[in-house]
Amino acid sequence: DGGITQSPKYLFRKEGQNVTLSCEQNLNHDAMYWYRQDPGQGLRLIYYSQIVNDFQKGDIAEGYSVSREKKESFPLTVTSAQKNPTAFYLCASSDRGNYEQYFGPGTRLTVT
Amino acid sequence: ILNVEQSPQSLHVQEGDSTNFTCSFPSSNFYALHWYRWETAKSPEALFVMTLNGDEKKKGRISATLNTKEGYSYLYIKGSQPEDSATYLCASLRNTGGFKTIFGAGTRLFVKA
Repeated sequence: DGGITQSPKYLFRKEGQNVTLSCEQNLNHDAMYWYRQDPGQGLRLIYYSQIVNDFQKGDIAEGYSVSREKKESFPLTVTSAQKNPTAFYLCASSDRGNYEQYFGPGTRLTVT
Repeated sequence: ILNVEQSPQSLHVQEGDSTNFTCSFPSSNFYALHWYRWETAKSPEALFVMTLNGDEKKKGRISATLNTKEGYSYLYIKGSQPEDSATYLCASLRNTGGFKTIFGAGTRLFVKA
């Protein structure tokens, strides 16, 4: 089946630890995105990548890092510099053209 | 405005009621307006992609209109059913030298049987 997978679904970490969230797609999409959702707010863009080996900061990139070494994969690292890392993280991909986005199931990260 | 605003924030209706919600978005550098449905425990799924002023799209009982000059879109659901219960997100795609998508906070719809 074509789609986007994110793992794990739930993740718990201690404050001060870096953590990497996985995102894989087999839709052959060029563009991939990471969003964060907090209660009562819209999806906020963390990072996006239009093509392999290239990525751009979104609106809230501080404390996060990404890589795009393969077309299929766009992992997100939440570093210890991120002040409020507890949130729901969604990964998405899109083809060029109308940029309709296809979303993964999300990862809920809790940092204590 | 450069934000995407959706109203109402939530809506409770009875089965069979028709309902509508609003998405306001920046009219400058407009490229496309997307509507997504996000059911609990699932991923958001695209409902409509709208690009032209005056566009009207329909999928079953759900339809949407677009006004790019004034920067708003309406989503209508005719004869709401419990399975329509979800969060409806709109997203504005602007071309400002690069494409940028901004999501609204969504309208949470509850349909009671």
